[in-house]
Parts: sequence; structure tokens; C-alpha cells
Amino acid sequence: NAGVTQTPKFRVLKTGQSMTLLCAQDMNHEYMYWYRQDPGMGLRLIHYSVGEGTTAKGEVPDGYNVSRLKKQNFLLGLESAAPSQTSVYFCASSYSLEGRWNQPQHFGDGTRLSIL
Amino acid sequence: AQKVTQAQTEISVVEKEDVTLDCVYETRDTTYYLFWYKQPPSGELVFLIRRNSFDEQNEISGRYSWNFQKSTSSFNFTITASQVVDSAVYFCALGSYNFNKFYFGSGTKLNVKP
Repeated sequence: NAGVTQTPKFRVLKTGQSMTLLCAQDMNHEYMYWYRQDPGMGLRLIHYSVGEGTTAKGEVPDGYNVSRLKKQNFLLGLESAAPSQTSVYFCASSYSLEGRWNQPQHFGDGTRLSIL
Repeated sequence: AQKVTQAQTEISVVEKEDVTLDCVYETRDTTYYLFWYKQPPSGELVFLIRRNSFDEQNEISGRYSWNFQKSTSSFNFTITASQVVDSAVYFCALGSYNFNKFYFGSGTKLNVKP
């Protein structure tokens, strides 16, 4: 049981390049999330999904797009990378019992992304 | 506004000392959920506890205990007899049901020295 798997673990991009981060979970969770973690700012929610085919904006969605074509996968895209997007990105998933935001989130190990 | 404040940026203690990590939250929601997560130096995030707004019972799990007080909008975390393995960044988080928001605090880095 792998839990939440993020690929890649590290990546260096040049400004303006695009890339996609992949998150896969094998726990049959309905909800999936993408966060970024910056020093002194904790984790900030970028986008989230409450089910296959649905996505919603979080706290800091600008510059990112997401897709949830399959229940087990949640993709985060950077269309034109900027140095301000240098961060550690975490994916998480959770059940959806009893409504929103009340279930523990299971996190992947993170992706360290540097934009030069 | 929904907000989580962890005013203690970094705390250092000597092993076996007790330590309390503060968490103050702000929400207008009547239904909300509070969480604590641990991020050890290896970087992964580990769920520790969840509390909903209707349950103010304090909880103890081994050396860990949590004090939830709605009157002061606080959800503090105490580690008794700290150990070196407790060294980590601890995050408090708030899920707001009706406002459909989820926020992490900025984290408190705990250093436990031998």
C-alpha cells in the first residue's frame, strides 16, 4: 500500500518552462489537494478536488492549473514557470465522510521545485 | 476571516522537559475542524489529531495531549517528557465547513536537545 505518491521528487526548471506534477493515491479517497510550502508560511492550498472530474481553487491558485481525470490521480500544472513558484509542493488526499474538511489528510513526500 | 496563528516560530527544550505549542484560530463558522500535523526533518507530514467544533473534550495520547478551548479560540498541544525524536515542525490547521476553507498555521519548529 503506497498511500500518496508524488512524481517527480526534485525538478529544476527555467523561467517560462512548463511542467506537470503527478499525484497518485491508492486509498480510494474522494478528496485530493495540492499545497505549496514556503519558509515561514506553512502550507498554502493551491487547488483541490472533491471528486473525479471536479476541481476548485484554494488560497493561492494563480499560475497553476489542475486536472482530476481519474479518481486516483491529481495533476498540477505550471504553464509558464516563474521564480516565485520555487517551493516544495505537497499532494494530499482524504475521505469525504460527514462533509468537507473534517478528515485527516494523507500526504505525499513532496516535490522540491526550483525555478531559475 | 479564517486564520490560524502559531506565534511560536521556534522552541528549544532539553529532553524530558514538557513543552506546549500554541495554536490560536479565527473563524466565523460554527462548524469547523482543527488538526495538528507533525513534519519531522525527513519532510513528510504526519497527522496527529482532529477535533471538531462541537467536541471540547481534551485528549491525551501517550505523552501528547491537546487542550481545545472555544472561549479563547485555542487548540494547544503539549508534549510531556519530550524526547529527541519529537524534534519537528508542528502545524495546526483549520477546516471551515460552511466557508469551505482550509488553512494551515505557519508552524512551530521544536528542537529537543539531549
